[in-house]
Amino acid sequence: AQKITQTQPGMFVQEKEAVTLDCTYDTSDPSYGLFWYKQPSSGEMIFLIYQGSYDQQNATEGRYSLNFQKARKSANLVISASQLGDSAMYFCAMREHINDYKLSFGAGTTVTVRA
Amino acid sequence: EAGVTQFPSHSVIEKGQTVTLRCDPISGHDNLYWYRRVMGKEIKFLLHFVKESKQDESGMPNNRFLAERTGGTYSTLKVQPAELEDSGVYFCASSLRGQRAEAFFGQGTRLTVV
Repeated sequence: AQKITQTQPGMFVQEKEAVTLDCTYDTSDPSYGLFWYKQPSSGEMIFLIYQGSYDQQNATEGRYSLNFQKARKSANLVISASQLGDSAMYFCAMREHINDYKLSFGAGTTVTVRA
Repeated sequence: EAGVTQFPSHSVIEKGQTVTLRCDPISGHDNLYWYRRVMGKEIKFLLHFVKESKQDESGMPNNRFLAERTGGTYSTLKVQPAELEDSGVYFCASSLRGQRAEAFFGQGTRLTVV
């Protein structure tokens, strides 16, 4: 069964606008962590933001924020004030305590920022 | 502090040959993961080491793939014999233990089997 679902294969966003990347997950483990990674065309995987299942507040890191809706099992990434350098592939990932912290990834969403 | 390093960065081999990929994790990271991304598809989990022990190798495609982690330090992933469908980018990642621990990725090895 798919653990992480990213339904948007590709998105376009205008420079300086905000964009929301969807991520839903499936787990019965009450203890888990959610991650977002960015993969630019150069290929490296860059950690962006983390949300723990017990965290009371939504995570924020600079222009990145996570809209965490635990009951809906969604953890959408919001990128505010998009920049051309934000063009990349974005992956949502989950780590479950029950799986001894194996990190499972979604299919990814390609974001293209237009000038 | 050095990050996760992978060797080689690229490898082109013929079908039937053997290739060994190496990953040097960040010092002190007990967790080491191997992932593979085939062109245009999602990142697939291959296996997970905790120190020198294979914690989960459920993602290994078949017995042509063999991973080891000597003394809980660096890890190797051997493909023998390689097939065309093994082509892709192989990523290694390492992390400290714990749910919040961020996984740090290497640059990946791009394997092309011709």
